[in-house]
Amino acid sequence: KNQVEQSPQSLIILEGKNCTLQCNYTVSPFSNLRWYKQDTGRGPVSLTIMTFSENTKSNGRYTATLDADTKQSSLHITASQLSDSASYICVVLSSNTGKLIFGQGTTLQVKP
Amino acid sequence: NAGVTQTPKFQVLKTGQSMTLQCAQDMNHEYMSWYRQDPGMGLRLIHYSVGAGITDQGEVPNGYNVSRSTTEDFPLRLLSAAPSQTSVYFCASSYESRTSGGSYEQYFGPGTRLTVT
Repeated sequence: KNQVEQSPQSLIILEGKNCTLQCNYTVSPFSNLRWYKQDTGRGPVSLTIMTFSENTKSNGRYTATLDADTKQSSLHITASQLSDSASYICVVLSSNTGKLIFGQGTTLQVKP
Repeated sequence: NAGVTQTPKFQVLKTGQSMTLQCAQDMNHEYMSWYRQDPGMGLRLIHYSVGAGITDQGEVPNGYNVSRSTTEDFPLRLLSAAPSQTSVYFCASSYESRTSGGSYEQYFGPGTRLTVT
């Protein structure tokens, strides 16, 4: 069964610190892997989209990596800010079904 | 551009009532979809549409109907609300179609929080 698993489920860090969120997936074959940021009470917003041939992609202080061999992705947040407090969702687009498969998300809280 | 808009933002229904969640986008996107988000679970696809007049079922379609008479609008109808339909509902749109496998961004609306008592 196609699955996307994220860890940790939740994370608390101090403002200014770095953190890394993990995503493991079993979707195969896949077209691309996405990371979304979802603020409380809002809809998800795209951070990065990576195809299977891309290893890394950055969007400001957010850097996503992808290892298609091990089926793992990570999202690294540098110099965290209070506004980074949100849920981060890993999503994989299945090539077979054309459907997006969502992870359950990691809730990040950045404290001053 | 307003992007993807959803109404209402909050709704409380009694079991058995029906209602329509509205979704509209002004980006001329062909692909639109409805998801529900429940605590501890990833977003799950309810229904989707690859263009006006074309709709198809997603992962959890039971109890919901959709129609797509225009490119802009994609309403979701709850036929007879049940407590299991208590959830947050998101509408999304993008340029990509179901079969293109493209890398187009998907834009989400702000969500409708529905409670069924």
